[in-house]
Amino acid sequence: SQKIEQNSEALNIQEGKTATLTCNYTNYSPAYLQWYRQDPGRGPVFLLLIRENEKEKRKERLKVTFDTTLKQSLFHITASQPADSATYLCALMVGGGNKLTFGTGTQLKVEL
Amino acid sequence: GAGVSQTPSNKVTEKGKYVELRCDPISGHTALYWYRQSLGQGPEFLIYFQGTGAADDSGLPNDRFFAVRPEGSVSTLKIQRTERGDSAVYLCASSRQGQEETQYFGPGTRLLVL
Repeated sequence: SQKIEQNSEALNIQEGKTATLTCNYTNYSPAYLQWYRQDPGRGPVFLLLIRENEKEKRKERLKVTFDTTLKQSLFHITASQPADSATYLCALMVGGGNKLTFGTGTQLKVEL
Repeated sequence: GAGVSQTPSNKVTEKGKYVELRCDPISGHTALYWYRQSLGQGPEFLIYFQGTGAADDSGLPNDRFFAVRPEGSVSTLKIQRTERGDSAVYLCASSRQGQEETQYFGPGTRLLVL
């Protein structure tokens, strides 16, 4: 069966460190993998998209890697700040489709 | 510019009642999506519109759920004979034509069925 797995346990890190979140999937061949941020009571906010033929994407303090052999994406936030505290969702889109399939999200807490 | 807006922000109803949830997409976005998010879960796809027509309604859980987008802009999600299990946050998203992989979400409508 198809699955998208994100660590359900919250990730607590110290300010200034790099946060690394993991997204693993099975039985998908996604054309795109995306990361969204969601704050309590808000809708998801798009952060980064990476295509199946790309290995790495960067945007400011964010970096995403995509390994289609391992079926895994890693999402990194460098020099993390308390304002980065939120839930981060991984989402896949298969080629020819338009719907996103989301993981359950990982809650990140950046402490002073 | 204005983002996706959804009304109402919260809706409390009784089991068996009918509800309508409204979505105003970003101006000029041709694609519109409805998702449902239960507590502790990621959003789950319900239906996708390209213009006025439903291009994919495979995520609608049963025939109590229906959505329309008559003029290709605003959309209404309609739920008949609501059940307690329908309680969730209903999210709407929109995207530009040709860039459907990048979806912009609204704040959601929190539906509680008592």
